[in-house]
Amino acid sequence: GAVVSQHPSRVICKSGTSVKIECRSLDFQATTMFWYRQFPKQSLMLMATSNEGSKATYEQGVEKDKFLINHASLTLSTLTVTSAHPEDSSFYICSARPETGHNQPQHFGDGTRLSIL
Amino acid sequence: AQTVTQSQPEMSVQEAETVTLSCTYDTSENNYYLFWYKQPPSRQMILVIRQEAYKQQNATENRFSVNFQKAAKSFSLKISDSQLGDTAMYFCAFMEQNTGGFKTIFGAGTRLFVKA
Repeated sequence: GAVVSQHPSRVICKSGTSVKIECRSLDFQATTMFWYRQFPKQSLMLMATSNEGSKATYEQGVEKDKFLINHASLTLSTLTVTSAHPEDSSFYICSARPETGHNQPQHFGDGTRLSIL
Repeated sequence: AQTVTQSQPEMSVQEAETVTLSCTYDTSENNYYLFWYKQPPSRQMILVIRQEAYKQQNATENRFSVNFQKAAKSFSLKISDSQLGDTAMYFCAFMEQNTGGFKTIFGAGTRLFVKA
């Protein structure tokens, strides 16, 4: 089945640090990937849609300059949390959807737990 | 705008019993897809079952089945013969295609506890 790999799974760093999270589709190509944020005991909140070769589409209220997204190839999207602060601590999940077939669901990475001290 | 509502924040069921998780959604579209995802404590998102809106037959995957009522915009998940490993957060999700591509919206989730 379709596999999405997300790395790293856990990051602990000091306030002011920039953190990069990678999302890879291992056995399919994805022109579109999605980045979600999940607070404890809450649902997934879509942050942005990553588009290969073009700018990401951000949801309302998400700071573009804080959460930089790059989708340079058909199998890799990166999310960089710039100058991270404690309020950015959260669980971040990426997903991608195989584009062959009309009813393909999203497949998720295992998530990244980000803790800013 | 499309919305997905899960009205049960928490539920519990005895092992081997059957439990039904409810989900309703709102859309003006006719073609869309519905999913149930499971998120265990490991926080991995696992696809449980999917349903295409144009199909009248309810989807079934082993112990998991759905009751899809398109007119009522309802998409409930039934778990039969509940197992301890079914303990998890369950999210109902709605996906449709628009000008920007496919977009998935998640409900708030239902936390299910299976008791021994």
